[in-house]
Amino acid sequence: NAGVMQNPRHLVRRRGQEARLRCSPMKGHSHVYWYRQLPEEGLKFMVYLQKENIIDESGMPKERFSAEFPKEGPSILRIQQVVRGDSAAYFCASSPPKGASYEQYFGPGTRLTVT
Amino acid sequence: GDSVTQMEGPVTLSEEACLTINCTYTATGYPSLFWYVQYPGEGLQLLLKATKADDKGSNKGFEATYRKETTSFHLEKGSVQVSDSAVYFCALPIYNQGGKLIFGQGTELSVKP
Repeated sequence: NAGVMQNPRHLVRRRGQEARLRCSPMKGHSHVYWYRQLPEEGLKFMVYLQKENIIDESGMPKERFSAEFPKEGPSILRIQQVVRGDSAAYFCASSPPKGASYEQYFGPGTRLTVT
Repeated sequence: GDSVTQMEGPVTLSEEACLTINCTYTATGYPSLFWYVQYPGEGLQLLLKATKADDKGSNKGFEATYRKETTSFHLEKGSVQVSDSAVYFCALPIYNQGGKLIFGQGTELSVKP
């Protein structure tokens, strides 16, 4: 069973460009979470999705950021008009339909650098 | 609100030394508790977990006991190795918010030969 897959692993964008980050959850997992790790900061929750639904986006910046998890294909985190402050590691995690412990399995991350 | 407070690092130890990384939490109810480990340049791996009070999670020589009375989940290892050098995160899920994880700030461990 393949783990959570993220691509690209490294992404360089110039200020003002768009960044698209992809996440394929583990097989059988229907819940996807995105987290951001800023330099010198911890991991912060951004958004929680199930297939075709955004369940909780309370951690997403109000502007320029969006996420989706379509019926077919990977989950996408999209950042429009990137700024230097968006440089960070973005991690996706997935979990199965809810069990007792809510453990999540993480991908290797996408490291975004904005120049 | 729910929160996790973790011992600040960095922590530097010699090989075979004992390790304790403190973690305390504030939560509604009795959530599961997790320790994740992040090796350089990689994502997070679940190291161990405990799902109820007095549970002890263990893996790769690491242990942590879920202590309800002190709201703690300290990570311990009796003899660390160079390969244990990584960043360790304590985490708890928020059940009434879809299970999103709240993380401690992370503790960087460096083990010298």
